[in-house]
Amino acid sequence: AQSVTQLGSHVSVSEGALVLLRCNYSSSVPPYLFWYVQYPNQGLQLLLKYTSAATLVKGINGFEAEFKKSETSFHLTKPSAHMSDAAEYFCAVSDRPNFGNEKLTFGTGTRLTIIP
Amino acid sequence: ETGVTQSPTHLIKTRGQQVTLRCSSQSGHNTVSWYQQALGQGPQFIFQYYREEENGRGNFPPRFSGLQFPNYSSELNVNALELDDSALYLCASSPKRGAYEQYFGPGTRLTVT
Repeated sequence: AQSVTQLGSHVSVSEGALVLLRCNYSSSVPPYLFWYVQYPNQGLQLLLKYTSAATLVKGINGFEAEFKKSETSFHLTKPSAHMSDAAEYFCAVSDRPNFGNEKLTFGTGTRLTIIP
Repeated sequence: ETGVTQSPTHLIKTRGQQVTLRCSSQSGHNTVSWYQQALGQGPQFIFQYYREEENGRGNFPPRFSGLQFPNYSSELNVNALELDDSALYLCASSPKRGAYEQYFGPGTRLTVT
């Protein structure tokens, strides 16, 4: 069964500092991996996805994530935090097409707070 | 290009009642998935519809049911509402079957009293 663990339910960083949100996955088959962002009272927006091309994936709003198979990790980073980055971030995993389990399994989320 | 829309935005129901939530998929998308997001939790997969057929279901009881129409819009029906059904219900559409690149709507906030 697939699962995702997000370490740290709350992360606070100063404006301009590095953002690092951690995600580890468990999957018996090569996975697809995703990061979504959710602003208050809104739905989820796709930040970036890994689907077996380059292991370093660049997304919107300056975010990027690196797939590390040996560490079963897909951590999200941004070099310099902006106030507008304050939101809830979700890591998600799915099986690849035709492996049968074509659903997104989400982590419990990390709330990112930016300190002025 | 119109994104995923959901209606209503908020809903209050009484325990035991039935509710129908609606979702219009993004233009060109033939797959719709529904998720339940309880307060402080990540979304949980309910089911997915691909070209009007159910294509996978999560760990939800049969009182959660759905439909997809020829225009690929979708409904989520919940019968015999329970207090624990209070949550944000998210619809996501995709240009292909599966989990690849799903686009989420703003959600419907359901409160069961």
